[in-house]
Amino acid sequence: AQTVTQSQPEMSVQEAETVTLSCTYDTSESNYYLFWYKQPPSRQMILVIRQEAYKQQNATENRFSVNFQKAAKSFSLKISDSQLGDTAMYFCAFMTHFSGAGSYQLTFGKGTKLSVIP
Amino acid sequence: DADVTQTPRNRITKTGKRIMLECSQTKGHDRMYWYRQDPGLGLRLIYYSFDVKDINKGEISDGYSVSRQAQAKFSLSLESAIPNQTALYFCATSDAGQGIETQYFGPGTRLLVL
Repeated sequence: AQTVTQSQPEMSVQEAETVTLSCTYDTSESNYYLFWYKQPPSRQMILVIRQEAYKQQNATENRFSVNFQKAAKSFSLKISDSQLGDTAMYFCAFMTHFSGAGSYQLTFGKGTKLSVIP
Repeated sequence: DADVTQTPRNRITKTGKRIMLECSQTKGHDRMYWYRQDPGLGLRLIYYSFDVKDINKGEISDGYSVSRQAQAKFSLSLESAIPNQTALYFCATSDAGQGIETQYFGPGTRLLVL
């Protein structure tokens, strides 16, 4: 079974500073995808960034970037120039094939609660 | 308008009652999912459907059933609600034909079973 571990239940960062959220995963698959989702107090699940395992280049979306270390099975999220609106729960998720089917199963970590302090 | 909508947004019910949570999407995606979120446990998959005639159990399907009425509609039912089904429920959709298969989530339904 695939597992996703987020070792930091809570973190805080000063506004305008940089913060890194950790995520590790366990899989024997070679073809998979990784995601970070954000859940603000409104509880909506919002896609932040995604990464294909076969691409060595780290994904970047504006102030959000990842450090993908395939051999170490690590997928950390870096938020630069933190803003008050970044306050949210952040979930790391791993996607691979459903057993015997042609689509993908998404497995979530337990989340990291990030607070941006003014 | 939101691409994925869920009704109701909040619901309080009593033990033993049957309730239905509904999900509609305008994204044109074939694949739909129901997840449950509990504090400290992340999201867990209840059921998923790849098209109107395809229904599959997820990790925690016991006590739940689903109906895919149309490509755009996927409902989750609790036949006889129990207190440990109190949770936040999410519907999601995805399209296999668009690069990385990414799931997009509705706003969630908060359910309280007394």
